[in-house]
Amino acid sequence: EAGVTQSPTHLIKTRGQQATLRCSPISGHTSVYWYQQALGLGLQFLLWYDEGEERNRGNFPPRFSGRQFPNYSSELNVNALELEDSALYLCASSLAVSSGGSTDTQYFGPGTRLTVL
Amino acid sequence: AQSVTQLGSHVSVSEGALVLLRCNYSSSVPPYLFWYVQYPNQGLQLLLKYTSAATLVKGINGFEAEFKKSETSFHLTKPSAHMSDAAEYFCAVTPANAGGTSYGKLTFGQGTILTVHP
Repeated sequence: EAGVTQSPTHLIKTRGQQATLRCSPISGHTSVYWYQQALGLGLQFLLWYDEGEERNRGNFPPRFSGRQFPNYSSELNVNALELEDSALYLCASSLAVSSGGSTDTQYFGPGTRLTVL
Repeated sequence: AQSVTQLGSHVSVSEGALVLLRCNYSSSVPPYLFWYVQYPNQGLQLLLKYTSAATLVKGINGFEAEFKKSETSFHLTKPSAHMSDAAEYFCAVTPANAGGTSYGKLTFGQGTILTVHP
């Protein structure tokens, strides 16, 4: 069974540009999560999409946005890039939210390394 | 609100020795708890999880962890370290119930780098 896949592996941009990162979840998973792992800041939650809807958002500015497509894949867009956006961006997926509302285990992809020059 | 504290950013053990990585959590609602491992330049791999069933949880690669509610702890152990265990380990918490600002969100500790000496 294929795991979570992310593309590209590496992305180099200059300050002020836009970056688009992509994620394909494990087959059968409907929830997609995005995390940022920046040096010195640890792993920070960015966004959660479930069934095409944004369900939760971390403490990031609006220039971080995303969407989830009908096939459950997802895209993270970062506009007006700043030097401090340089980080490893991790995508995770999980099964659908249970009838009781609890979320399922998150499985992570290999990440996209974004470098902003 | 939820938070995780991992005691010790670096732990060094000899091959064959006991591995003990400490994790304490704070959560206003019943939590689910996880340990993930990250090898250099890779994503996170799930080691084990606690989701309110048995308090002693067994994971992959010989790791296990015990949920102790009274101590708000979820320490990770392995009886005998192997060179291949060298990596960074993250403890994480998420609410077991729906709703709230932490819903669906994994909150991670700062990570513990495990070094294994021959």
